Amino acid sequence: AQKITQTQPGMFVQEKEAVTLDCTYDTSDQSYGLFWYKQPSSGEMIFLIYQGSYDEQNATEGRYSLNFQKARKSANLVISASQLGDSAMYFCAMRVMKTSYDKVIFGPGTSLSVIP
Amino acid sequence: NAGVMQNPRHLVRRRGQEARLRCSPVKGHSHVYWYRQLPEEGLKFMVYLQKENIIDESGMPKERFSAEFPKEGPSILRIQQVVRGDSAAYFCASSRGLAGGQNEQFFGPGTRLTVL
Repeated sequence: AQKITQTQPGMFVQEKEAVTLDCTYDTSDQSYGLFWYKQPSSGEMIFLIYQGSYDEQNATEGRYSLNFQKARKSANLVISASQLGDSAMYFCAMRVMKTSYDKVIFGPGTSLSVIP
Repeated sequence: NAGVMQNPRHLVRRRGQEARLRCSPVKGHSHVYWYRQLPEEGLKFMVYLQKENIIDESGMPKERFSAEFPKEGPSILRIQQVVRGDSAAYFCASSRGLAGGQNEQFFGPGTRLTVL
């Protein structure tokens, strides 16, 4: 069964410090994509970063980087130099696409609070 | 949010009424997905549609829920005879639906349904 696990319901980080949000996934498919989304208190879903299962290098987008360890089936999000505006829910997600099948499975989320 | 429009943003219904949620995908996107987010939870996949076709409805409740994506006009998620447990945020996402590549799903701002 396909599943996303985020074991940290809540995290705190000091402003300007780096933080790692954990994500592990389970799938038997060889081709898949991994995403991280941010959901602030306003409720919208904001795309942060993407990693393809065949990508050899870890994805980076500004202050966000994805620590992809395929053998361990983990895709942790690293946020460097945390800012107060980073306080939000963070969801790890996995997408598997086939001819008649296209599904994104979300983890339960991690609530990040940045402390001034 | 790359242009996915959802309306209404907030919807209040009494038990037993019908709820209609609309989603206009990003221009040029022919794939639409509906997700439900219950309070304090992650997003759960409901249904995946292409123009005039339901591709995957494995996440849809068997009764009272239906979805369509007509040739012209927005995608509609319809909930008949709403109950309090239907209160949630309903997100629509769209993509080009091409296999391979990043092909992220762009999310709309969501419709928050409250059933009294």
